[in-house]
Amino acid sequence: LAKTTQPISMDSYEGQEVNITCSHNNIATNDYITWYQQFPSQGPRFIIQGYKTKVTNEVASLFIPADRKSSTLSLPRVSLSDTAVYYCLVGDTGGFKTIFGAGTRLFVKA
Amino acid sequence: EPEVTQTPSHQVTQMGQEVILRCVPISNHLYFYWYRQILGQKVEFLVSFYNNEISEKSEIFDDQFSVERPDGSNFTLKIRSTKLEDSAMYFCASSEAGVVYQPQHFGDGTRLSIL
Repeated sequence: LAKTTQPISMDSYEGQEVNITCSHNNIATNDYITWYQQFPSQGPRFIIQGYKTKVTNEVASLFIPADRKSSTLSLPRVSLSDTAVYYCLVGDTGGFKTIFGAGTRLFVKA
Repeated sequence: EPEVTQTPSHQVTQMGQEVILRCVPISNHLYFYWYRQILGQKVEFLVSFYNNEISEKSEIFDDQFSVERPDGSNFTLKIRSTKLEDSAMYFCASSEAGVVYQPQHFGDGTRLSIL
């Protein structure tokens, strides 16, 4: 399973775009990149998943360069309610064993 | 939107007692998981379950732990003889079959407190 590295914490202000980068130098050919969000006392919540290039949904965008050794989660115009821990995961084969790293604690200020 | 539900939301148990945590996964999902999160720490994988058997388990999932799908809807985690260090949030998750890697849908957890 590819190990991931993310910043421990980030601060932002309401209305700003936030980009959280994750490094996964040992990503394998079959690996997908998945991001989860976790609020205190709640389970992680799926945000977005991608394999290469760019993926966008109603919540976020995910940018993956050609070498796939990193990925960037982009949150447009964050609000106070986006304060949470964001996890980058890399895995394959049905996700039988999913390893969460420490995540990035995002704090959005007014 | 369908969701994973877990009961109870909070369980307080004396050390050495058995505890069963219950989960109802999303109905058309076929892969089931348990995780734990000790207060202030990261989410830790415990076990995955597919086709009525364990697919993967971590080193945390020792002989004190067991999982079961007793009927078509419930998925349980049993801890036989609880220890103080078992105090944590326990999350259940489920995912669909088929595609290479499917996002997991998590419940909101059971807070287990061992006294």
